[in-house]
Amino acid sequence: AQSVTQPDIHITVSEGASLELRCNYSYGATPYLFWYVQSPGQGLQLLLKYFSGDTLVQGIKGFEAEFKRSQSSFNLRKPSVHWSDAAEYFCAVGGGSNFGNEKLTFGTGTRLTIIP
Amino acid sequence: NAGVTQTPKFQVLKTGQSMTLQCAQDMNHEYMSWYRQDPGMGLRLIHYSVGAGITDQGEVPNGYNVSRSTTEDFPLRLLSAAPSQTSVYFCASSSTATQYFGPGTRLLVL
Repeated sequence: AQSVTQPDIHITVSEGASLELRCNYSYGATPYLFWYVQSPGQGLQLLLKYFSGDTLVQGIKGFEAEFKRSQSSFNLRKPSVHWSDAAEYFCAVGGGSNFGNEKLTFGTGTRLTIIP
Repeated sequence: NAGVTQTPKFQVLKTGQSMTLQCAQDMNHEYMSWYRQDPGMGLRLIHYSVGAGITDQGEVPNGYNVSRSTTEDFPLRLLSAAPSQTSVYFCASSSTATQYFGPGTRLLVL
């Protein structure tokens, strides 16, 4: 069965500092991996995705993530955070025929707080 | 192009009542899914559909029914609401490589 672990429930970062959110996955085949962001009271927005190829993927809002098969990880990074990045971040792994999109398994999320 | 819409935004039910959460998309996506979001548990898949007339169970299907008679609509039915079904429900539709989420329905079962 597929699973996702986000070990950090809550992270606090100063504005302008760098950010790394951790994600470890378990999946029996080549995984389809995603990062989503959820602002308070909102739905989820896709930040970036990995299917194959280059292991460093670029997303929206200046985020990037690196797929490391040997570590079963897909960590999300941003070089300099902005106050508007405060939100909850979810890592997800997909399974199924449509690049995993109809059967996503989510991690429990990491809440990001930005301090001035 | 409205994307994925969900109604109602908020609903209060009494234990044992039934209701239908509506979900519609105007992007002609074949794939649609329902998730529930509970504190500390992320999103969990309830049911999904890979096309009109085809549905399947996800991780937490008990107490919920779905049907997909058209490409656009994917309603979620609660047959007999229980307090354990208090949650925020998200509908999503997907094309190749991208899943689009609706704004959610907050459900409170008393």
